[in-house]
Amino acid sequence: DAGVTQSPTHLIKTRGQQVTLRCSPISGHKSVSWYQQVLGQGPQFIFQYYEKEERGRGNFPDRFSARQFPNYSSELNVNALLLGDSALYLCASSLTWDFSTDTQYFGPGTRLTVL
Amino acid sequence: LAKTTQPISMDSYEGQEVNITCSHNNIATNDYITWYQQFPSQGPRFIIQGYKTKVTNEVASLFIPADRKSSTLSLPRVSLSDTAVYYCLVGDGRYNNNDMRFGAGTRLTVKP
Repeated sequence: DAGVTQSPTHLIKTRGQQVTLRCSPISGHKSVSWYQQVLGQGPQFIFQYYEKEERGRGNFPDRFSARQFPNYSSELNVNALLLGDSALYLCASSLTWDFSTDTQYFGPGTRLTVL
Repeated sequence: LAKTTQPISMDSYEGQEVNITCSHNNIATNDYITWYQQFPSQGPRFIIQGYKTKVTNEVASLFIPADRKSSTLSLPRVSLSDTAVYYCLVGDGRYNNNDMRFGAGTRLTVKP
C-alpha cells in the first residue's frame, strides 16, 4: 500500500500570496491532520478532518483553512502569506480520529518558503 | 492539558542501549503516551504507545511507572541510523486531539 502522499514537495511564494497544499491519505484512512513544523521545533497541530468534518483546530489564525474531499484527500489553504509561514507542512492520516490510541502516519511534507 | 518535558539532546555510541525519559506531571487518567521518531526532512514515524507498565515491540520498549508522571523510551543496541529526533506525546484523543502536542523533542546522536 502506498503511504501518505503530499504535493508539491517544495514551494516558493512571496508575502501576501495564497498557497494550496494537497494530501492523499493511506487507502482506508478517514482522518487527515495537518501540522506545521518550523525549523528546530516539533510539529504544531493545525487541523484534523474526519469523515469530511473538521474535528480539531489548533491555535492558528483564520488565514489557515482546510477541507477534506469525499475520497478523503485533503487540502490546506493559507492566505495572505507571511514570512513566518515558512515551514515544513506535514499531513498525517489515521483510521480513526483518536490520536491517543490510533497510529498517525505522516507524509514527507511540503517545504514552503515565503520570500 | 498534559505538558511534556524531554532532554534537548543525547549522545550515544553504536551498540549501546539508550533510554530517553519524558516527564508529564499533569497526565490525566485517560491519557495515553505515544512516542514518535523523526529524521531530517521527513515526517514523524510512530514508534510505540502505552498506558501503563511496560510495552515492547520489535524496535523499542516503553516503561511507565505506576504514577504515570513520566515514561522512558528504551532503544536497544542503537545504530547510526537511529540518529533522529524523538518526541513524546501525551493525551486523550477521544475528545480533543489538540491536546496531543509535539514538544521540541530529544535529538539523539549515535556515534560510531
